[in-house]
Amino acid sequence: GDSVTQMEGPVTLSEEAFLTINCTYTATGYPSLFWYVQYPGEGLQLLLKATKADDKGSNKGFEATYRKETTSFHLEKGSVQVSDSAVYFCALTTQGGSEKLVFGKGTKLTVNP
Amino acid sequence: GAVVSQHPSRVICKSGTSVKIECRSLDFQATTMFWYRQFPKQSLMLMATSNEGSKATYEQGVEKDKFLINHASLTLSTLTVASAHPEDSSFYICSATSHDNNEHFFGPGTRLTVL
Repeated sequence: GDSVTQMEGPVTLSEEAFLTINCTYTATGYPSLFWYVQYPGEGLQLLLKATKADDKGSNKGFEATYRKETTSFHLEKGSVQVSDSAVYFCALTTQGGSEKLVFGKGTKLTVNP
Repeated sequence: GAVVSQHPSRVICKSGTSVKIECRSLDFQATTMFWYRQFPKQSLMLMATSNEGSKATYEQGVEKDKFLINHASLTLSTLTVASAHPEDSSFYICSATSHDNNEHFFGPGTRLTVL
């Protein structure tokens, strides 16, 4: 079945450091790919998405590129802030997004001042 | 963006009682709602998918008699944890999609603690 594998962390960085959170997937169909963010005590928010190969999703300084050849969707940010401290989830759907999301296990990011 | 609310945000109950959690789409019609359980160390488990007016589809290993889901209208789905026990303590999250917007919108979650 479809699955998502992401680095589990936790990841601890200093402010202004470069962030990469790796995410790879397996899917039987042609997936749409997502990154969600969960701040402490809250539900999930969509951070960015990409629906076809070579698409780059971006938001709030975060970026991820849909790489079909490596089945990857790694999340990057050039300079993290303390306010980026959260749990990040990579996810996919395989039928236009209205079907269920398949999540990775999440990566907890802590950014220290 | 679209807003999904959950009520209550947290609930503490005694073992053996039933607990109802509501998930509402506030400004759109949610044709499909999803219920998740989030375990410690973050992982999200999809429990069931519900479509308005039809029976929920449960994921493998989820007890349908234990976790009762009702999606009676296009803006409301409820999850009832029947005869809750301490092992049911968890963070329950819902999400919703509409037929004209495939994006999943998540509720803020409900923290259930069973004593």
